[in-house]
Amino acid sequence: GQNIDQPTEMTATEGAIVQINCTYQTSGFNGLFWYQQHAGEAPTFLSYNVLDGLEEKGRFSSFLSRSKGYSYLLLKELQMKDSASYLCAVDNDYKLSFGAGTTVTVRA
Amino acid sequence: GAGVSQSPSNKVTEKGKDVELRCDPISGHTALYWYRQRLGQGLEFLIYFQGNSAPDKSGLPSDRFSAERTGESVSTLTIQRTQQEDSAVYLCASSLGSGRLNEQFFGPGTRLTVL
Repeated sequence: GQNIDQPTEMTATEGAIVQINCTYQTSGFNGLFWYQQHAGEAPTFLSYNVLDGLEEKGRFSSFLSRSKGYSYLLLKELQMKDSASYLCAVDNDYKLSFGAGTTVTVRA
Repeated sequence: GAGVSQSPSNKVTEKGKDVELRCDPISGHTALYWYRQRLGQGLEFLIYFQGNSAPDKSGLPSDRFSAERTGESVSTLTIQRTQQEDSAVYLCASSLGSGRLNEQFFGPGTRLTVL
């Protein structure tokens, strides 16, 4: 089966940095996605990692270690609009297996 | 619009009734997925279509659930004899293919409420 774990909730202050960890145990692995989902909306793509290391894209960065089955999403210079759920998803052939999501609340 | 569209956006039905949900993927996307998301939970894979291959139905929770896709276009998800536990948001996504091309683009979802 697929097992993807991430924290349920995180709270941080505007302007701060938050790191959302994701650990996975899956029967296959082609890559790892991070999606952002605002309440009541569809998930939108944030990042994709297929090789080990850090991928930086503006205020958001994503890291992958395939040997450890571990990824994190780093959100810098937090803004109120970053309050959302962040979903980790493992690409296993054609299917994505999603974690339950981490709800990030940004406080002023 | 070039995105994934779904209809209806909201559906309220009575227990025991059948419902049909529709998804129009992005043109040219050969892969189409259906997910279910219960309140406060992650996405639960239901079914996957890829071109003319046999669909992967491994995520369908019971035989009350079925889905069809016409070629590489519209898909319908049908739930027969709905139960209250079927209440959820049903999300459809489409993608070009595998690997980085497997970035899935999601529709806005259909919120189903079974009374």
